[in-house]
Amino acid sequence: AQKVTQAQTEISVVEKEDVTLDCVYETRDTTYYLFWYKQPPSGELVFLIRRNSFDEQNEISGRYSWNFQKSTSSFNFTITASQVVDSAVYFCALVGGSQGNLIFGKGTKLSVKP
Amino acid sequence: GAGVSQTPSNKVTEKGKYVELRCDPISGHTALYWYRQSLGQGPEFLIYFQGTGAADDSGLPNDRFFAVRPEGSVSTLKIQRTERGDSAVYLCASSPQQWTGGTFFGPGTRLTVL
Repeated sequence: AQKVTQAQTEISVVEKEDVTLDCVYETRDTTYYLFWYKQPPSGELVFLIRRNSFDEQNEISGRYSWNFQKSTSSFNFTITASQVVDSAVYFCALVGGSQGNLIFGKGTKLSVKP
Repeated sequence: GAGVSQTPSNKVTEKGKYVELRCDPISGHTALYWYRQSLGQGPEFLIYFQGTGAADDSGLPNDRFFAVRPEGSVSTLKIQRTERGDSAVYLCASSPQQWTGGTFFGPGTRLTVL
């Protein structure tokens, strides 16, 4: 079975704090892809990153960074120096090589206060 | 347009009525997906098209739901005899091939069944 767990339902931080959103996944596929999406209050899902299971290199994009660890089946997302505009619901998602659709976690609501 | 578009943005209907929701994928994207998102939840897969054919419709909840993509571009999700439990945001996403380019979501159609 494929599953994505985002244990943090809500996180609240003050602007400029660093924050890490956790994602743990389960899959029996050896080839799979992991995603992060941002869903601001406007509702549209914004694609942030896609990683394949063979690439464990961590990635940094501006204030965003991702830590992929196959040994712990985790794909965590860190926002450095958070800003109010980062306030949104963040979803982690998985697609296994044996299927075509995304399996989403329940999301983590991040509130960044000024 | 540059992104995935969906119409209408909002649809209010009465229980028992028939509705059609439309999705225009990004030009050239062969893969098209429908998801449904209920309040406070992550999106849940409904159906996936590769070209004109439904490659996986295992997420459709029952036979009241049907989707088509006759020319391999625009897709229509059809719901017959709507029920109050069908109320949700229906999301469409497209991808250039299966999972090679990430998945880009439209703004969604908010369906309310009274």
